[in-house]
Amino acid sequence: NAGVTQTPKFQVLKTGQSMTLQCAQDMNHNSMYWYRQDPGMGLRLIYYSASEGTTDKGEVPNGYNVSRLNKREFSLRLESAAPSQTSVYFCASSYFRQGTEAFFGQGTRLTVV
Amino acid sequence: AQSVTQLDSQVPVFEEAPVELRCNYSSSVSVYLFWYVQYPNQGLQLLLKYLSGSTLVKGINGFEAEFNKSQTSFHLRKPSVHISDTAEYFCAVSGVGYGQNFVFGPGTRLSVLP
Repeated sequence: NAGVTQTPKFQVLKTGQSMTLQCAQDMNHNSMYWYRQDPGMGLRLIYYSASEGTTDKGEVPNGYNVSRLNKREFSLRLESAAPSQTSVYFCASSYFRQGTEAFFGQGTRLTVV
Repeated sequence: AQSVTQLDSQVPVFEEAPVELRCNYSSSVSVYLFWYVQYPNQGLQLLLKYLSGSTLVKGINGFEAEFNKSQTSFHLRKPSVHISDTAEYFCAVSGVGYGQNFVFGPGTRLSVLP
């Protein structure tokens, strides 16, 4: 049982390059999330998808786009990477039922130079 | 909207000593409360959660937390820590009636010293 799988685990980009972070879950969860983690700031929500076919902005959506490809997969795209997007990115999923916890992937460490 | 404060960014403690990690939240609605642990270079995993009922919640690895509605707090405690408890701990809330969005605190780094 893999849970939430993120690829890649590490990535170095040059300013202006684009890339897509992939996330897949095998727990039949409805909701999926993308967070970024920066020192001293905890996790901040970038985008979320409450259910297949819907996506919504979180706290820090600027510079990102998402696609909920199907129930299992939720990708995050950086169209033109900036140094401010250097961070650790976490994908998470949960049932769409209040009070249930989120399950997290192992993270993607992204450096933009 | 909800917000979470974790006043202690770092907590050093000696092995076998007790520890308390503080969490306070702000919300205009009722909340569900969570504590997550993050070991180095790993994702977050759930330690415990409070939904309703008894205000004392027990979790994995000997941790427990107490919900105090009047003080809007959800402090995490362990009576005797081990070296293996060295990690970062995050408090999180989700608002009742506000879907499943989780708001996280900035985290507390617990360092257990031999």
